[in-house]
Amino acid sequence: QKEVEQNSGPLSVPEGAIASLNCTYSDRGSQSFFWYRQYSGKSPELIMSIYSNGDKEDGRFTAQLNKASQYVSLLIRDSQPSDSATYLCAVRALSYQLIWGAGTKLIIKP
Amino acid sequence: GAGVSQSPRYKVAKRGQDVALRCDPISGHVSLFWYQQALGQGPEFLTYFQNEAQLDKSGLPSDRFFAERPEGSVSTLKIQRTQQEDSAVYLCASSRPTGNEQYFGPGTRLTVT
Repeated sequence: QKEVEQNSGPLSVPEGAIASLNCTYSDRGSQSFFWYRQYSGKSPELIMSIYSNGDKEDGRFTAQLNKASQYVSLLIRDSQPSDSATYLCAVRALSYQLIWGAGTKLIIKP
Repeated sequence: GAGVSQSPRYKVAKRGQDVALRCDPISGHVSLFWYQQALGQGPEFLTYFQNEAQLDKSGLPSDRFFAERPEGSVSTLKIQRTQQEDSAVYLCASSRPTGNEQYFGPGTRLTVT
C-alpha cells in the first residue's frame, strides 16, 4: 500500500525562526512531490512542487527532495504568525493520483 | 481566469436525502478530481475526469455516490440516501492538460443529521 507519512505535530516555532517540515513516502516510483498549506476551515493551497533531487527555493520557502532516502521536506525561513497552518505533503507516482499525508500542524509563536 | 469554484459552500441534509455538489474548474483545465476530507486527515481521492470521461471512480465509497461531467467542464457529485458517515468536506480540484499541480476549490462542507 502506497503511503505518505508526516508527523502530525503540532510543531511550535518562534516567529523569525526556520520551520522544518518532513514527509516520507513508500513508493519508490514516485515522480512528483507537492506541499500544500491548509488554514483551518479552508481548502488546500499549493505552495511548492518539486520533481528532481535537491533544493528548490521560492521566496521564504525551500523544498528539498531526496529520492534515495524517500523523503521530502519544506523549510520556511523567517517564520511569520500567518504561516500557522496545516502543511500537507502529496506525492504522485506514474498515475494521476496524489497520495496524501495527514498533514503537520505548524504554530508560529509571536 | 478565476479559480475553482464550488457550490454550495455548506449543505445540511437529513439522513436519507439526496444531495448534489457542483464544481466549476479553472477554464482550460481538462483534469478534474473529487476528494473527501475528514477532520484532521488529508484528502481522500474519490474520482477523476479527463474532459467528460470518468477515468477512475475507484475511490467512491459506495454506489450511493455518483459523479458526472457531461460537457467536460462543470462537474456534479451526487450522493443518494445520505448517511451520517457521509459528513465531510468535499473538495474539487483541477489541473492543466500537461500539468501535475492540482488547484483546489473552497470545498463543500456536508453535514448529515
